[in-house]
Amino acid sequence: QVQLQESGPGLVKPSETLSLTCTVSNGSISSYYWSWIRQPPGKGLEWIGYIYYSGTTNYNPSLKSRVTISVDTSKNQFSLKLRSVTAADTAVYYCARGAGPRHWFDPWGQGTLVTVSS
Amino acid sequence: SYELTQPPSVSVSPGQTASITCSGDKLGDKYVCWYQQKPGQSPVLVIYQDTKRPSGIPERFSGSNSGNTATLTISGTQAMDEADYYCQAWDSSAVVFGGGTKLTVL
Repeated sequence: QVQLQESGPGLVKPSETLSLTCTVSNGSISSYYWSWIRQPPGKGLEWIGYIYYSGTTNYNPSLKSRVTISVDTSKNQFSLKLRSVTAADTAVYYCARGAGPRHWFDPWGQGTLVTVSS
Repeated sequence: SYELTQPPSVSVSPGQTASITCSGDKLGDKYVCWYQQKPGQSPVLVIYQDTKRPSGIPERFSGSNSGNTATLTISGTQAMDEADYYCQAWDSSAVVFGGGTKLTVL
């Protein structure tokens, strides 16, 4: 069954760019939607955005000005860049797969904690 | 922006039925899904398209959605069902999550 694994720095300085990659294994990145979702410590889930395998993107309006999601189908990977981070961006970041335009998320990666601190 | 409202906590005795609600304007016109998240783990999909269970999810999990409220029902609740539960829907082209409900089995 398909598995997702997030990777990237666990510590980012304020005002810098957070960069994460999600590697998809045991399945193709084609024909699905791929999302980033985050969860601040002790809080709820927040959708960041998705990319379709063809490259079409859709972002949370509250983060749209700072977010870029890209896909590399040759590596079966997709990536997140979040610019100008602050402490409020400290969270566990998950990648997840969606099927269809009004999709649900299944499966999810294990998540990676990113702390924004100097 | 669209909001989904869940009760912060729900308690249930083992073997009883737990109901977790998710409220939003005309929510019945949208598809709702539900996720279970245990401490230190990633969310797991337990219900999608209001009522459907993914493969591997026990039959005791069921869902409904009508009017302004969607409900996740867990029949014969077990200790292993203690977790946070999140509802999710789409508003226009954006994903919205509820704030989450902590289910305590005691």
